[in-house]
Amino acid sequence: AQSVAQPEDQVNVAEGNPLTVKCTYSVSGNPYLFWYVQYPNRGLQFLLKYITGDNLVKGSYGFEAEFNKSQTSFHLKKPSALVSDSALYFCAVRSRSYNTDKLIFGTGTRLQVFP
Amino acid sequence: GAGVSQTPSNKVTEKGKYVELRCDPISGHTALYWYRQSLGQGPEFLIYFQGTGAADDSGLPNDRFFAVRPEGSVSTLKIQRTERGDSAVYLCASSLSPGTSGTRNEQFFGPGTRLTVL
Repeated sequence: AQSVAQPEDQVNVAEGNPLTVKCTYSVSGNPYLFWYVQYPNRGLQFLLKYITGDNLVKGSYGFEAEFNKSQTSFHLKKPSALVSDSALYFCAVRSRSYNTDKLIFGTGTRLQVFP
Repeated sequence: GAGVSQTPSNKVTEKGKYVELRCDPISGHTALYWYRQSLGQGPEFLIYFQGTGAADDSGLPNDRFFAVRPEGSVSTLKIQRTERGDSAVYLCASSLSPGTSGTRNEQFFGPGTRLTVL
């Protein structure tokens, strides 16, 4: 079965510092991995995805993620955090077959960026 | 132009009542998904439509839950005899059809309907 794990409930970082939000995955076959962000009272917004190719994926709002096959990880990163980045972040893996197509989400990590 | 829209944004009902939640996907998106997000949790898959048909409804928790998409666009999630445990945010998403390049099509989410069962 496909799954992702987000080991940190919350990550705190000072504005201007680099940030990392961790995600590990467990899949059979090639992983299709995603990061979404959720602001209060709003739906999930797509940030970036890894399908194949370069291990470093660049996404929206200056975020990037590094796919590491040997460590089965897909950590979200940003070189310099902004207060406005404070939100809930979800890692997800796509599970697709002849009769299904769905995202399986982690439990989420709350990012708090302090001024 | 919009993105995925969901109505109502909030729904408060009493235990035992029937509710309907509506989703308007992005125009041209043939795939539609429903997820449920409980407090402090990530979204959990409920059902996936390809066109008018439910290709995978394995995530529906029991037979009180049902969803339709009669014309391949708007979808309605229906919950009968609501229970307090049904309280959650119900999210709808849509995407382009997973065709030959389908694995590259991400899902776009609506703002959700917050359901509260008293």
